[in-house]
Amino acid sequence: TQLLEQSPQFLSIQEGENLTVYCNSSSVFSSLQWYRQEPGEGPVLLVTVVTGGEVKKLKRLTFQFGDARKDSSLHITAAQTGDTGLYLCAGDQGGKLIFGQGTELSVKP
Amino acid sequence: GAVVSQHPSWVICKSGTSVKIECRSLDFQATTMFWYRQFPKQSLMLMATSNEGSKATYEQGVEKDKFLINHASLTLSTLTVTSAHPEDSSFYICSAQGTDSTNYGYTFGSGTRLTVV
Repeated sequence: TQLLEQSPQFLSIQEGENLTVYCNSSSVFSSLQWYRQEPGEGPVLLVTVVTGGEVKKLKRLTFQFGDARKDSSLHITAAQTGDTGLYLCAGDQGGKLIFGQGTELSVKP
Repeated sequence: GAVVSQHPSWVICKSGTSVKIECRSLDFQATTMFWYRQFPKQSLMLMATSNEGSKATYEQGVEKDKFLINHASLTLSTLTVTSAHPEDSSFYICSAQGTDSTNYGYTFGSGTRLTVV
């Protein structure tokens, strides 16, 4: 059973389109993080959300933490080809970081 | 910011041999280090958690005798894949937890691509 359900797992869109990635769980997390990973590299932290209902923006990326701290979303506005990559959500539970399945995003020109 | 160095970045070994992967925190002390495994097009799966000076805690289904973890100092943890087989081929990533509050302490290495032939 996956602790963090991430959807969709694959997403292929055209440049300029908007998209949303979801990360859901039945468990409560003290914090939730979003990472982006390039092939052959370690994941790079994008944002950490801690407070229920929190919204954080990073340029064209908007991150939201659910009120109950069980789910989160990542919204990308006007996607660019440079946004292509693997996006991962991860929840801190009991002092260890557990990852969702990941979303493989492909943005085509 | 916090930096974690992982070495080697890639390694090819023969079936039956052992391979050691190092994970170093360069500018901070890491009381806890984590080892993950990632297959192509999949997410990171936590293998084990190691605390400096004590035995590692392995996740369910991970063979502790096959994946030996040593965390002898606050800046170094090693993962040794013993008697490697082709099915052990994967991308191994370490993460170190320090006191950097900007990301709640998790800093990742750049990963090690292990290929067993």
